[in-house]
Amino acid sequence: QQPVQSPQAVILREGEDAVINCSSSKALYSVHWYRQKHGEAPVFLMILLKGGEQKGHDKISASFNEKKQQSSLYLTASQLSYSGTYFCGTGYSGGNKLVFGAGTILRVKS
Amino acid sequence: NAGVTQTPKFRVLKTGQSMTLLCAQDMNHEYMYWYRQDPGMGLRLIHYSVGEGTTAKGEVPDGYNVSRLKKQNFLLGLESAAPSQTSVYFCASSVRTGENTEAFFGQGTRLTVV
Repeated sequence: QQPVQSPQAVILREGEDAVINCSSSKALYSVHWYRQKHGEAPVFLMILLKGGEQKGHDKISASFNEKKQQSSLYLTASQLSYSGTYFCGTGYSGGNKLVFGAGTILRVKS
Repeated sequence: NAGVTQTPKFRVLKTGQSMTLLCAQDMNHEYMYWYRQDPGMGLRLIHYSVGEGTTAKGEVPDGYNVSRLKKQNFLLGLESAAPSQTSVYFCASSVRTGENTEAFFGQGTRLTVV
């Protein structure tokens, strides 16, 4: 039931863009995105509900394709502070669980 | 505002020993969760609770028990620790269902079983 994230890891230079994908084999009701710095707790970025709504947070945005059961996180003009592990968490209709993917390690170099 | 507090932060156990991890939140949240984090496997849900006095199994519940006697506290117990339970444990809480509200995480407990 764990959602699948891709890629597993990505290395960028400052100013480059990146896309992280999250897909589920089950129908999704919502998708959460979190970022975790090394040795710290995950921190919330945004939630998307079914309906294909796209949200933004600074230069980080995300989309949710309900029919394809997929979500993508877009990081534009990456900064050093974007480095960390990104997790998508998925919620399912009628359920109370929040299940996370294995994470995508993002490293931004100067 | 403390948010979500986990104790202890570090612990080393011998195989077969028992222990309890405590999670406390001061945000009056209904929902609480316990996850374990292992390299390459992300955050895996162990148990969760949708309110005081209720608990439910997550994706990897074997070897763990939980209790939610008070709304603000969620306890995770290991009755007989095994090396496979070496991990970083995170507690989280949210206002209601995890489907449409953000989860707040504690700072984690690093547990080593030798």
